Amino acid sequence: SAVISQKPSRDICQRGTSLTIQCQVDSQVTMMFWYRQQPGQSLTLIATANQGSEATYESGFVIDKFPISRPNLTFSTLTVSNMSPEDSSIYLCSGALARQETQYFGPGTRLLVL
Amino acid sequence: AQKITQTQPGMFVQEKEAVTLDCTYDTSDQSYGLFWYKQPSSGEMIFLIYQGSYDEQNATEGRYSLNFQKARKSANLVISASQLGDSAMYFCAMRKLQGAQKLVFGQGTRLTINP
Repeated sequence: SAVISQKPSRDICQRGTSLTIQCQVDSQVTMMFWYRQQPGQSLTLIATANQGSEATYESGFVIDKFPISRPNLTFSTLTVSNMSPEDSSIYLCSGALARQETQYFGPGTRLLVL
Repeated sequence: AQKITQTQPGMFVQEKEAVTLDCTYDTSDQSYGLFWYKQPSSGEMIFLIYQGSYDEQNATEGRYSLNFQKARKSANLVISASQLGDSAMYFCAMRKLQGAQKLVFGQGTRLTINP
């Protein structure tokens, strides 16, 4: 399995500001993903983080709002830009190892926007 | 498109009893994987068990087993001898095994184990 860490674990932010969430994995995962879980809801994929190139975004999510970087195989960042209270969610990073079917998740970042 | 349906928003079970959490799915893919994750109140997503669409035997991991009925498109999670620490949200998810690896999640079931 892969061990995945995220920073920060939680934050309270003011509307209009931006927050960058970091995700570090301990193995060379082939795929990294960012999910959002709004309060009381299930998980929704924001984007697939691609190493050295632009992330692949799902419908309803755009790069200007959620810029993502993945400079190497084991590290990725998600920025939540120009935040509003509707961005209050848990943001989870996940990774899939080569030749394994399972995605492992980080502990999540709880974001509250006031 | 893939879709996961979990019809039980909440379940209440006595400690030490077995519990079955329901999951049905819909997909046009021939090759896919089914997953169950546990999410305690801390928010982390803990992988429990995986079943591939071509696996002939039901997956088991300790107290967890997956009752896979392909013709009925169901992938129910069975927890034997439930414990207080099993109280959490449980999510069923799937993804196709070729191409994009994104997981599609159901709405979840909140399981409460009573002492």
